[in-house]
Amino acid sequence: AQKITQTQPGMFVQEKEAVTLDCTYDTSDQSYGLFWYKQPSSGEMIFLIYQGSYDEQNATEGRYSLNFQKARKSANLVISASQLGDSAMYFCAMREQSDAGNNRKLIWGLGTSLAVNP
Amino acid sequence: DTGVSQDPRHKITKRGQNVTFRCDPISEHNRLYWYRQTLGQGPEFLTYFQNEAQLEKSRLLSDRFSAERPKGSFSTLEIQRTEQGDSAMYLCASSSPGGPETQYFGPGTRLLVL
Repeated sequence: AQKITQTQPGMFVQEKEAVTLDCTYDTSDQSYGLFWYKQPSSGEMIFLIYQGSYDEQNATEGRYSLNFQKARKSANLVISASQLGDSAMYFCAMREQSDAGNNRKLIWGLGTSLAVNP
Repeated sequence: DTGVSQDPRHKITKRGQNVTFRCDPISEHNRLYWYRQTLGQGPEFLTYFQNEAQLEKSRLLSDRFSAERPKGSFSTLEIQRTEQGDSAMYLCASSSPGGPETQYFGPGTRLLVL
């Protein structure tokens, strides 16, 4: 069965420093997608970055990058130059991308709470 | 560019009452999803529509839950005979086919059942 594991319930980082949020996944499918979302205290889930299982390069989006290690089944999010506004919950999610069937749902981890200190 | 909208943002109800939530997806998105998120957890999938067809439904969705998307645009999620365990954030997302099919979320509806 698909599973996402985020082992860090809470993380602290100093403003302007980089931080890595861990995510490991389990799937038997060869084709899948990995997503990171940010959820501020307001509750809205904000899409940050995507990595496809066949993408050869690590995804990057501004200050966000994804350290994708397929053999280890890990997809860690790196936030560079942390800002106070980065304080939020961060969720890793996975979706199998098989064309067969209608499987489109995301499977989610428990999240990591990030606090950025001034 | 209008994002996903949800109404209401907050709902307080008494146990046993029925509630209905609405979700308006991004206009060009034909796929719509409902998730439920309880405190300290990640979202859990409830159901998914492609246009007006409900293609997948979680076992979490008991007989008291029903979702519709009658014209393939907005969707409603109804909970009948609410229970305290239904208290959660209900999230709606939409996506377009092709590529990563990234799901974009609305602000959510927070439900509190007293």
